[in-house]
Amino acid sequence: DIVMTQTPLSLSVTPGQPASISCKSSQSLLHSDGKTYLYWYLQKPGQSPQLLIYEVSSRFSGVPDRFSGSGSGTDFTLKISRVEAEDVGVYYCMQGIHLPKTFGQGTKVEIK
Amino acid sequence: EVQLVESGGGLVQPGGSLRLSCAASGFTFRNYWMSWVRQAPGKGLEWVANIKQGGNQKYYVDSVKGRFTISRDNAKNSLYLQMNSLRAEDTAVYYCARDKAGGGFDYWGQGTLVTVSS
Repeated sequence: DIVMTQTPLSLSVTPGQPASISCKSSQSLLHSDGKTYLYWYLQKPGQSPQLLIYEVSSRFSGVPDRFSGSGSGTDFTLKISRVEAEDVGVYYCMQGIHLPKTFGQGTKVEIK
Repeated sequence: EVQLVESGGGLVQPGGSLRLSCAASGFTFRNYWMSWVRQAPGKGLEWVANIKQGGNQKYYVDSVKGRFTISRDNAKNSLYLQMNSLRAEDTAVYYCARDKAGGGFDYWGQGTLVTVSS
């Protein structure tokens, strides 16, 4: 199974400041079709997960442009340019290229 | 608006069975792979199983193979998860999710809680 490793596991951020989460996979997520199947989700307190970023860097419908994704191969990053209060929750990366689909451990983001 | 509504969760004894359902609306259900993803209390996310549009391909995480069966009824826009031989470690919120092309999940239900305990 592909292991997804996120760092840090928790983050405390001042509103308006940037935040960054790293995700590393144990195998390359580059598919033969040229796409890389790495996803980012946010699970707000008491809610279901919601898709933020798909295929490394594409923002899902309705996701604010302060969220951005980057990376390639096995190393990926989610960045929030200016954290807002509504961004609190647990962020997960996920790989969709190999079964079983696997998630990172999650990074809990809180506001200072 | 895409909606996924799970039902069927509850308290069951170890070794027992439960059938979860997911009612889909707001999109052409028969055109999408669908998945079940679970989350144990206070823990992270774990993909459980998925099923192809026509129901002829199904995949499972190793820990549930032989015990869980995923199925769908495209005429009823519904997804199911039959869970047998339940164990304490199957205790979790079970989410129904729509598979996006490329393996991710673009829409999730609100989840249904399954508790396996005597």
